[in-house]
Amino acid sequence: AQSVTQLGSHVSVSEGALVLLRCNYSSSVPPYLFWYVQYPNQGLQLLLKYTTGATLVKGINGFEAEFKKSETSFHLTKPSAHMSDAAEYFCAVSVGAGNMLTFGGGTRLMVKP
Amino acid sequence: GAVVSQHPSRVICKSGTSVKIECRSLDFQATTMFWYRQFPKQSLMLMATSNEGSKATYEQGVEKDKFLINHASLTLSTLTVTSAHPEDSSFYICSATDSGGSYNEQFFGPGTRLTVL
Repeated sequence: AQSVTQLGSHVSVSEGALVLLRCNYSSSVPPYLFWYVQYPNQGLQLLLKYTTGATLVKGINGFEAEFKKSETSFHLTKPSAHMSDAAEYFCAVSVGAGNMLTFGGGTRLMVKP
Repeated sequence: GAVVSQHPSRVICKSGTSVKIECRSLDFQATTMFWYRQFPKQSLMLMATSNEGSKATYEQGVEKDKFLINHASLTLSTLTVTSAHPEDSSFYICSATDSGGSYNEQFFGPGTRLTVL
């Protein structure tokens, strides 16, 4: 079985500062990894995904994440936070069978002016 | 592309009534759809996996007789909350995988807020 841990249920940054949201996973087989963003009372929007190939993945809205197998991590970063980035972020893992996603607990990103 | 819709977006009902939520893939065929529930300030919890033309697979602890799932076509799955009670109040989100896709990506609907009085 796979699992996902997001360190820090709340992260606060100033506008223009670096955003770093942490995600560690456990999986017995090579995983597919995803980051989703959720705005209040809305569904999830895919930010980026890692499947195979290049370990540094670029997504929408200036976000990127790096798959580090040795550290079982898939941390999400953005060089400069914008007020519109304030939202809930979920890391998820899939190992293929049935396409089932396992989500982390989520991290609420707050951006201060 | 890859748009998933849910209807209704918000529903308020009396305790004891049944509520049906629809999940549609608008521009692709989805052999598999997933139903999640999300309590306030919490993560998504998978309730069941719905495959077109077959019975849904429910996660442990989810009552299949209470949460009826039907996936009658490649573009529509429905979740019916039967005899709803206040503890069923939650945010229900569906997702679908593109039959032609290859990377397990799920496309999520906008969610349905259920409030049971």
